[in-house]
Amino acid sequence: GAGVSQSPSNKVTEKGKDVELRCDPISGHTALYWYRQSLGQGLEFLIYFQGNSAPDKSGLPSDRFSAERTGGSVSTLTIQRTQQEDSAVYLCASSLRGGPNYGYTFGSGTRLTVV
Amino acid sequence: AQSVTQLGSHVSVSEGALVLLRCNYSSSVPPYLFWYVQYPNQGLQLLLKYTTGATLVKGINGFEAEFKKSETSFHLTKPSAHMSDAAEYFCAVGYNAGGTSYGKLTFGQGTILTVHP
Repeated sequence: GAGVSQSPSNKVTEKGKDVELRCDPISGHTALYWYRQSLGQGLEFLIYFQGNSAPDKSGLPSDRFSAERTGGSVSTLTIQRTQQEDSAVYLCASSLRGGPNYGYTFGSGTRLTVV
Repeated sequence: AQSVTQLGSHVSVSEGALVLLRCNYSSSVPPYLFWYVQYPNQGLQLLLKYTTGATLVKGINGFEAEFKKSETSFHLTKPSAHMSDAAEYFCAVGYNAGGTSYGKLTFGQGTILTVHP
């Protein structure tokens, strides 16, 4: 597609439920990144994919968080047993290749609210 | 390790006044530096970036930034603010050294710019 698409745009879930957030990167972009933006804070790196592999998962805050990417395209971020502190905007970005000189395109994000 | 500090979580200017948003970085390797803008309920849009070469970088919407290695700074400026510039601005640093963190950006906390008529 023309841009990075994320779905849903908004998600309200009850504490303890599992949620899945989806990211459709720009076609042909091999690198994909997930970031989390909490109220009053900057963007926090979560995970980086190159193709279907995730060489850097260092930002995932706990084992309740996981992500996968299939076909070198769509990525899903899963949060199990959600907690209120998981409430945030989850942003996805893609890049033609890994590396900052290629630039990044961000999606509009998924706003997750855990009640 | 990399870090980014944006001085001032909120900046307020009058329409037509100079916009100056401050960013200082820390990086053990030559940095790639970025400024992004975020409008409400939208993703981040790239304003400009510094990779190598000329240290004064011009971006979209009349913004520019200057990379000053000696001061480890990458401040964002615009000569004359417009109402449409009201948004949140993020400074970010990355590096091009390969490895598992290839391409990961480290962001500052953001600066909310308010423009008064």
